[in-house]
Amino acid sequence: GENVEQHPSTLSVQEGDSAVIKCTYSDSASNYFPWYKQELGKRPQLIIDIRSNVGEKKDQRIAVTLNKTAKHFSLHITETQPEDSAVYFCAALDSYNAGNMLTFGGGTRLMVKP
Amino acid sequence: DAGITQSPRHKVTETGTPVTLRCHQTENHRYMYWYRQDPGHGLRLIHYSYGVKDTDKGEVSDGYSVSRSKTEDFLLTLESATSSQTSVYFCAISQSGAEGIQYFGAGTRLSVL
Repeated sequence: GENVEQHPSTLSVQEGDSAVIKCTYSDSASNYFPWYKQELGKRPQLIIDIRSNVGEKKDQRIAVTLNKTAKHFSLHITETQPEDSAVYFCAALDSYNAGNMLTFGGGTRLMVKP
Repeated sequence: DAGITQSPRHKVTETGTPVTLRCHQTENHRYMYWYRQDPGHGLRLIHYSYGVKDTDKGEVSDGYSVSRSKTEDFLLTLESATSSQTSVYFCAISQSGAEGIQYFGAGTRLSVL
């Protein structure tokens, strides 16, 4: 099955700086890569996603890049703000089976210091 | 937020007792999933459903069973709870599994003493 590795596990940045979180996946057939943000005590919420036919996608201050050859994808947050502090999860979609399962990385705790 | 309700939101139980968690959706989505979330492990899939009465195992299914008798309800049962099943449980739904977008419920915090 799919295996997703996520780094770093914790990341501390100063407000206004950029933050980058990286994930690698093992199954070259995976074709959908979402990112979720989870605030303390809350549910994971989708913030951006990318499909395998696209190399980059942006939405205001966040962007995701995908390198299919190297099997890695990254989340970029620019001009970080204190409200960006949360745990971020990457995931990869395994569409082989009937359930179209997402495999998640272990998460990155982002702390933005004011 | 998508119309997903998990119940109960919190539960404390004793080792060896059966426990059932419920996920109810009002979105008429075909796919439903149960995850557990533990520190350092992210979200791990327990079981999933791709239609009424159609279910399958995920990564960490041992000790858990599921049922889906209606589109809107997906039940997760711990037949005999153990302390290792203390966790936060999330239900998720997806309209079209191939598109991958999953929406999560608010979670159930389960403590097994």
